[in-house]
Amino acid sequence: GESVGLHLPTLSVQEGDNSIINCAYSNSASDYFIWYKQESGKGPQFIIDIRSNMDKRQGQRVTVLLNKTVKHLSLQIAATQPGDSAVYFCAENRLDSKLTFGKGITLSVRP
Amino acid sequence: NAGVTQTPKFQVLKTGQSMTLQCAQDMNHNSMYWYRQDPGMGLRLIYYSASEGTTDKGEVPNGYNVSRLNKREFSLRLESAAPSQTSVYFCASQWAFRQNQPQHFGDGTRLSIL
Repeated sequence: GESVGLHLPTLSVQEGDNSIINCAYSNSASDYFIWYKQESGKGPQFIIDIRSNMDKRQGQRVTVLLNKTVKHLSLQIAATQPGDSAVYFCAENRLDSKLTFGKGITLSVRP
Repeated sequence: NAGVTQTPKFQVLKTGQSMTLQCAQDMNHNSMYWYRQDPGMGLRLIYYSASEGTTDKGEVPNGYNVSRLNKREFSLRLESAAPSQTSVYFCASQWAFRQNQPQHFGDGTRLSIL
């Protein structure tokens, strides 16, 4: 698989490979994090979330890792499929604020 | 379940015209939000309603007004549309404000101001 930071606009992966999408969040007080998937012409779709008292959480084919020491969040997609092609972005939340969204990265799956 | 429903899906306006974007959710959520999404900018919060009967400004409220009509519905109004308001508008809802729960989004209204 390949990894990339959210400052790069596109991640291209081969179908069947694992994808890793990274996000650097800004606020050390953030205590809740979400990954969203947005397909063309659609609204953001919730994928997985994680609270700051956890380091890792797994869903179906997706895993989110949280490293609070370096304020880093990653989304791992196992066995990437064409249907995974979309824009992915992270969001962070503090209890005294509202969700702050990253700009997003495009995941492109090569057949 | 429909989740969050937005109408219309597309709209073209002339500068100075007014219109209202509609949003309804069927998840019995207490909090609702309006965002705009522009290329390279990410989602920016316009207004939100923490609970029925309350509304507050977000990051970019100028040129907009909102109404929380009831628990299900939250509308966004452009009184005098400007080209800078050309954007994709998303409505979202959440079980409760300031709680560690995800927001759920509609599929957006694509608005062009000529």
